[in-house]
Amino acid sequence: NAGVTQTPKFRILKIGQSMTLQCTQDMNHNYMYWYRQDPGMGLKLIYYSVGAGITDKGEVPNGYNVSRSTTEDFPLRLELAAPSQTSVYFCASSDAGVSEQYFGPGTRLTVT
Amino acid sequence: AQKVTQAQTEISVVEKEDVTLDCVYETRDTTYYLFWYKQPPSGELVFLIRRNSFDEQNEISGRYSWNFQKSTSSFNFTITASQVVDSAVYFCALRNYGQNFVFGPGTRLSVLP
Repeated sequence: NAGVTQTPKFRILKIGQSMTLQCTQDMNHNYMYWYRQDPGMGLKLIYYSVGAGITDKGEVPNGYNVSRSTTEDFPLRLELAAPSQTSVYFCASSDAGVSEQYFGPGTRLTVT
Repeated sequence: AQKVTQAQTEISVVEKEDVTLDCVYETRDTTYYLFWYKQPPSGELVFLIRRNSFDEQNEISGRYSWNFQKSTSSFNFTITASQVVDSAVYFCALRNYGQNFVFGPGTRLSVLP
């Protein structure tokens, strides 16, 4: 099992560019999440999904969009990148409403 | 509202010392779950333990132990005989049944040789 995989691992964007962060899990988990972690800080929830076709906003959704067309994939779209979006992005998944989350390795994004 | 407090921002210990990381949580639900995660310098987030609100038994796993006390809303984590490899940021998290996770701000542990 690969668990949760994320691509790319690193990316540098110019202000105003767009990109999609990919996240795939092979554990058949219903719940998936996107977090951002700013330097020296904790995790902030961007978006989450409780199943294919269902997504909802977290704490800091502005500037991002998600989709969940399959159980396995949960891509995060950044539109019009801004320096404030410089962060490490983690994707996570969990089995049910009570289970722990399993995290991907993260994507380090710099917007200059 | 849910909240997790980790009052210790940074802790430094010398190798082989014992260290306890504090976690205090707030929730109105009676069914909830508590977690600890480790984030080593390499950056990944590693799941350590899950505890549900109905199980107050302490847990020990090697040098790690967890003390869950509902009376004080605490879920503390102790590392016995710390090692340099324990250096990491440790996050405590809370999840009410069927809801999202709430993470604490983390405690940075430095174990010095």
